[in-house]
Amino acid sequence: DQQVKQNSPSLSVQEGRISILNCDYTNSMFDYFLWYKKYPAEGPTFLISISSIKDKNEDGRFTVFLNKSAKHLSLHIVPSQPGDSAVYFCAAREYGNKLVFGAGTILRVKS
Amino acid sequence: DAGVTQSPTHLIKTRGQQVTLRCSPKSGHDTVSWYQQALGQGPQFIFQYYEEEERQRGNFPDRFSGHQFPNYSSELNVNALLLGDSALYLCASSLGDRGTQETQYFGPGTRLLVL
Repeated sequence: DQQVKQNSPSLSVQEGRISILNCDYTNSMFDYFLWYKKYPAEGPTFLISISSIKDKNEDGRFTVFLNKSAKHLSLHIVPSQPGDSAVYFCAAREYGNKLVFGAGTILRVKS
Repeated sequence: DAGVTQSPTHLIKTRGQQVTLRCSPKSGHDTVSWYQQALGQGPQFIFQYYEEEERQRGNFPDRFSGHQFPNYSSELNVNALLLGDSALYLCASSLGDRGTQETQYFGPGTRLLVL
């Protein structure tokens, strides 16, 4: 049973436009959500997070939105840059700091 | 400020062998978590160590065991290796075992291939 789902395996966006990556979850006990970016042959790099008591968090070009009623979160990247091309993982935290990850979305930003 | 380091970077073993992977947490962190990432999937939680004890465990068999040392570094041991154990093994460090700091920082991983 996948508790965190990223239903889009890949996304292609033109440089300068907005990238929107989506994530759905089923466990209402998750208290924190995080986005990680991963390049080949590297470990995941933390991007941005949001507490379950908030609905938006912004950090530079990255904004995460949380819709608790829909159990949905999204990551917006504006403007998208070629260096943003990577695999993006959505993760949710269970009590005790265990992270549950989605399968990832490959983002390609075309110049 | 050193980030999370892992060794070795790559490893090739044969079925039935045993393997030990090592991790040093980010400076100032005291909690280490281990994840397995199979090809095309997201990382799966194996277990977490805090104060030299296993505090949480994911759905992995007892062949997977670990240890945390007084300097907070950690080892992951896998016995009786199976072909299906081939994966990228990731170590993540954080501060506190009950979410006092929510962000986990990952190392580059160890790529294990079982033949």
